[in-house]
Amino acid sequence: ETGVTQTPRHLVMGMTNKKSLKCEQHLGHNAMYWYKQSAKKPLELMFVYNFKEQTENNSVPSRFSPECPNSSHLFLHLHTLQPEDSALYLCASSPSSGPEGNEQFFGPGTRLTVL
Amino acid sequence: GENVEQHPSTLSVQEGDSAVIKCTYSDSASNYFPWYKQELGKRPQLIIDIRSNVGEKKDQRIAVTLNKTAKHFSLHITETQPEDSAVYFCAARPTGGYNKLIFGAGTRLAVHP
Repeated sequence: ETGVTQTPRHLVMGMTNKKSLKCEQHLGHNAMYWYKQSAKKPLELMFVYNFKEQTENNSVPSRFSPECPNSSHLFLHLHTLQPEDSALYLCASSPSSGPEGNEQFFGPGTRLTVL
Repeated sequence: GENVEQHPSTLSVQEGDSAVIKCTYSDSASNYFPWYKQELGKRPQLIIDIRSNVGEKKDQRIAVTLNKTAKHFSLHITETQPEDSAVYFCAARPTGGYNKLIFGAGTRLAVHP
């Protein structure tokens, strides 16, 4: 599959569960991002990785733990979530993270429901 | 930090009319302003972007204008069609060394036949 893929597409979990979201990009990009999209709120940037190094943590609670083993893969490990964490989690990638800014390509998202 | 305000939150137009969505940003040094379209149940996709050294950019029925002095930028869609119905997000890239985007809250556009 081309572009940015995410698995699973839907996830229901209890507050005590541990789960992981996976993102993979097939575009040869060097930067990857996690966003949270809730109803009635803007897209919220969570984490930014450049060349596997985390360069941005937007004050995200520690119950969300990102991992970037290489430039093509990004994970979001979830532990002890709250019902208010229910949202669409979007992954994105971009060619680089230089000063000029450039297009971010989004994945289809994982719809997360925390019971 | 950077803040992006987007208006209106909903917009309803008749097919063939024009639609305008406006955004303001707080960081005067922001240098990149993309617009994304998100259809229902789909991922956001870039439709047009503009950099701070340009005042206007057009792509067929879509145009974006940037007023750096006033710190606002707008999306203009002419001759709207039902398939333009979607949520539109503006974004701004604040100062800093990395490609961080701050998004507006989105505008839900409905184009009625």
